[in-house]
Amino acid sequence: GAVVSQHPSRVICKSGTSVKIECRSLDFQATTMFWYRQFPKQSLMLMATSNEGSKATYEQGVEKDKFLINHASLTLSTLTVTSAHPEDSSFYICSATVGASGGYGYTFGSGTRLTVV
Amino acid sequence: GEDVEQSLFLSVREGDSSVINCTYTDSSSTYLYWYKQEPGAGLQLLTYIFSNMDMKQDQRLTVLLNKKDKHLSLRIADTQTGDSAIYFCAESINNFNKFYFGSGTKLNVKP
Repeated sequence: GAVVSQHPSRVICKSGTSVKIECRSLDFQATTMFWYRQFPKQSLMLMATSNEGSKATYEQGVEKDKFLINHASLTLSTLTVTSAHPEDSSFYICSATVGASGGYGYTFGSGTRLTVV
Repeated sequence: GEDVEQSLFLSVREGDSSVINCTYTDSSSTYLYWYKQEPGAGLQLLTYIFSNMDMKQDQRLTVLLNKKDKHLSLRIADTQTGDSAIYFCAESINNFNKFYFGSGTKLNVKP
């Protein structure tokens, strides 16, 4: 089945630095990938939709200059948290779809636990 | 925006059935899903149901959908300790690209 690999699984960084998270579709091409954020004991909130070869679409309230998304190829999307602050500490999950075949075509990565100290 | 609600906790004994409930507000949902999340891990799609269906069964899992009441449930038969996790219901609406998740139900299975 479709596999989405997310890296790193955990990262600790200092305030003010930037962190890049990668999301790769391993055995399929994903024209669209999605980035979610999950706060402790809360649900996942869609941050942005990443489209290959074009600019990402951000959800309301998500700072596009802070969360930079690059979807340079059909198998890779990256999320860069710039000038990270402790409040950016969260669990970030990406997902990808194999196509417009319905929601069951979505596959989620295993997530990245970001801790900003 | 769309509102998907779940109870936060459920505790059952091993071997019993578990029923996790979910309510949603948007009647134009296209698909409804159940995902499982184990500690520190991503989401695993358990099952999904198309909005014109009332029931779907897949091995130990039974999904019931009541469109009139906008109520979705997941029944796990013969619950095992390995089923302990957080279960999220989610809906996608017209545009499959957006998922709206509930807050998750933490299932605790006691041996």
